Amino acid sequence: SQELEQSPQSLIVQEGKNLTINCTSSKTLYGLYWYKQKYGEGLIFLMMLQKGGEEKSHEKITAKLDEKKQQSSLHITASQPSHAGIYLCGGFSGGGADGLTFGKGTHLIIQP
Amino acid sequence: EPEVTQTPSHQVTQMGQEVILRCVPISNHLYFYWYRQILGQKVEFLVSFYNNEISEKSEIFDDQFSVERPDGSNFTLKIRSTKLEDSAMYFCASTSGRVWQPQHFGDGTRLSIL
Repeated sequence: SQELEQSPQSLIVQEGKNLTINCTSSKTLYGLYWYKQKYGEGLIFLMMLQKGGEEKSHEKITAKLDEKKQQSSLHITASQPSHAGIYLCGGFSGGGADGLTFGKGTHLIIQP
Repeated sequence: EPEVTQTPSHQVTQMGQEVILRCVPISNHLYFYWYRQILGQKVEFLVSFYNNEISEKSEIFDDQFSVERPDGSNFTLKIRSTKLEDSAMYFCASTSGRVWQPQHFGDGTRLSIL
């Protein structure tokens, strides 16, 4: 079965600094999704990547998918308190599967 | 912006009782999902539903669980004979397309089994 590993598990960053979160899949991905979750709340969709080498940006967040479609990174530039939360990568590797497999998440804390 | 709505936000139930969790997916979406997240653990896929039938289910989704779309708007998850280990946050999600469209999640129902 597919596994998604995220690193780091937690991250404390000073406000204004840049940061990167990584997600590695045990299988080639058909699609990779990034979500943000506030503690005890639902998942907010951030970005979806489908093609090898694809890169997408929204405001200060950039996500990339490698050419082999097994690794993705999420980069936040000039972090703000509003970026704090849990970042989850979710993906599926096909074979008729349409339920997402998620990583354990990265807890991001922004220090003022 | 359209949202996935889940009720109740918190459900407390005695062990052995049946519970129904309700979801109203985004109105033009065709694919519906249930996930669960046990405290401190990963979000886990339970089941997907399309065209009034189960499309895919995980190993977690055994005979204790069932899903239904009783009318044109609601999507429900029924858990029969609840166990302590069913305590978790249950998320409903929906998407307009199966693969290349994002799944949009509700805020979840926190289920506590006593």
